[in-house]
Amino acid sequence: GAGVSQSPSNKVTEKGKDVELRCDPISGHTALYWYRQSLGQGLEFLIYFQGNSAPDKSGLPSDRFSAERTGGSVSTLTIQRTQQEDSAVYLCASSHYTGAYEQYFGPGTRLTVT
Amino acid sequence: GESVGLHLPTLSVQEGDNSIINCAYSNSASDYFIWYKQESGKGPQFIIDIRSNMDKRQGQRVTVLLNKTVKHLSLQIAATQPGDSAVYFCADYDNNNDMRFGAGTRLTVKP
Repeated sequence: GAGVSQSPSNKVTEKGKDVELRCDPISGHTALYWYRQSLGQGLEFLIYFQGNSAPDKSGLPSDRFSAERTGGSVSTLTIQRTQQEDSAVYLCASSHYTGAYEQYFGPGTRLTVT
Repeated sequence: GESVGLHLPTLSVQEGDNSIINCAYSNSASDYFIWYKQESGKGPQFIIDIRSNMDKRQGQRVTVLLNKTVKHLSLQIAATQPGDSAVYFCADYDNNNDMRFGAGTRLTVKP
């Protein structure tokens, strides 16, 4: 079956511009997670959704970052006024429910801020 | 703060040899652990998991060992193949479902 998909796969943007990253989770998965992975680094948790609500926003690095999920499915991560330090791979994952440990990851979006 | 970390950032092995990737964790409340494999340009992929009431679990060519006394986790890959070349992450969960990933170990398999 279809896995987690993300778009775009690559995004190059100028400093100060806004970007929107999209995640399509596996159908039926109620939990959705966003992570950031800088070059050569581990995964940094950003936010997770249970259904359409986000009970844990603690990982968002600044108020320039926001995320939403509609219809319990697609999620978008928006970064406003991008900075060079935002350059990273943004990974999305989904799981059957929040308590299900195994997460299925998408291929990621590589964001480069010039 | 408590964190999950790895002893070695890189590991190079000869094809056919066994590989051992290590992970240290510090959260004494961690009760569930997962190893993920991340190939270049792809997202992490689940390999194997283990609960804290176990000290060993085997999969196909992979074995995870858990030593709760010293808070150490390892992933053993038998007869390493070129397709095993990837970055391997450990992740731990505590009883609040909080999860942390380690920085990852890059495994390179030499032909």
